[in-house]
Amino acid sequence: QVQLVQSGAEVKKPGASTKVSCKASGYTFSAYGVGWVRVAPEQGLEWVGWISADSGNTDYAQKFQGRVTMTTDTSTSTAYLELRSLRSDDTAVYYCVLVIAGSPFEYWGQGTLVAVSS
Amino acid sequence: EIVLTQSPGTLSLSPGERGTLSCRASQSIRPTYVAWYQQNPGQAPRLLIFGASSRASGVPDRFSGGGSGTDFTLTISRLEPEDLAMYYCHQYEVSPWTFGQGTKVEI
Repeated sequence: QVQLVQSGAEVKKPGASTKVSCKASGYTFSAYGVGWVRVAPEQGLEWVGWISADSGNTDYAQKFQGRVTMTTDTSTSTAYLELRSLRSDDTAVYYCVLVIAGSPFEYWGQGTLVAVSS
Repeated sequence: EIVLTQSPGTLSLSPGERGTLSCRASQSIRPTYVAWYQQNPGQAPRLLIFGASSRASGVPDRFSGGGSGTDFTLTISRLEPEDLAMYYCHQYEVSPWTFGQGTKVEI
């Protein structure tokens, strides 16, 4: 069965960077993409962007352009989200999702809390 | 980008009652590309409805979706206590894919 297992919670200071991992299993990793969605406290779901595991092509939400980098390691079936220049309003739970063209997000990781605080 | 506006912000219902959640898009979306998710506190979102009206695997039949164009709905026909959650609509037709801000269903 499809599983997406994310790295553990992190606490970061403003201006720092974070790199969250998402290890996939149960499907052919390079056949699909991995997306990232976040939920900040008292906020709704927010789309961050996605990466094609096959081509490495990325599509980032405009809000995060210049601060975000998504990568994949096909040898370990792992996707990564790096967010730089962290601010307090980046405090959120970040979820990875399996991206299949034309399909909704049926498979989600368990979420990774990134807390930004001085 | 397509903005999805959900209403109401909070829906208060008693067990057994019927409730309807609304999602309005800033431009027309093909129903094929509209989904609804349920998120319980401390858990990842769960896919409820895809293609505007198709229930995902294991979703009780008290949940139903509908709509077209710019207006979509999620209906809970008989509220159960475990339905207390946040509900989000989602469009996956046009990049960037977007979500509504959510409706909180409280008992």
